[in-house]
Amino acid sequence: RKEVEQDPGPFNVPEGATVAFNCTYSNSASQSFFWYRQDCRKEPKLLMSVYSSGNEDGRFTAQLNRASQYISLLIRDSKLSDSATYLCVVLNTGGFKTIFGAGTRLFVKA
Amino acid sequence: EAGVAQSPRYKIIEKRQSVAFWCNPISGHATLYWYQQILGQGPKLLIQFQNNGVVDDSQLPKDRFSAERLKGVDSTLKIQPAKLEDSAVYLCASSLAGPQETQYFGPGTRLLVL
Repeated sequence: RKEVEQDPGPFNVPEGATVAFNCTYSNSASQSFFWYRQDCRKEPKLLMSVYSSGNEDGRFTAQLNRASQYISLLIRDSKLSDSATYLCVVLNTGGFKTIFGAGTRLFVKA
Repeated sequence: EAGVAQSPRYKIIEKRQSVAFWCNPISGHATLYWYQQILGQGPKLLIQFQNNGVVDDSQLPKDRFSAERLKGVDSTLKIQPAKLEDSAVYLCASSLAGPQETQYFGPGTRLLVL
């Protein structure tokens, strides 16, 4: 079983739609969680951290469910510019080892 | 603020040849990471430096890959000899103190091994 698993998609949604991605992790001792965004042929960039209490940044909401060992990302009112691959990131081994998921591809259509 | 710099941006070599990549992190960032990203996959951590010491290199194929970060600033990643399966994008990232903080990535080096 992979340490971090994501549905690869692609998710094809119209502009204005709400879309949600989940990411599961296998190590219950995982400490920190993030969502990164990667545009085609570009480097990953931090989208947001995921806190135990959940957090929101504009149209983006991230949540953590430790009991079920998954994190989620909700995007409301999708824009064409949201088209990208969304990478789930988990820190293991005392918070020192970074593990990326394979990513979920999102296409937002006009 | 200048970002993470990497060179070269592209490299094509034949199998069994050697190749080296260079990374200059953001000034003042203590932690430097090298990742390998194969097409269609997420980045895989190869090695992580804290200043000039190695924190984690558990996924570095040490029979052919080596990395160093002299003086705790620039870093080089070397592959010798290269295999076909090493074709990937090699990403360098840095963060201020550790992976709990934002990792800033360079543009990557695209390696094709023929």
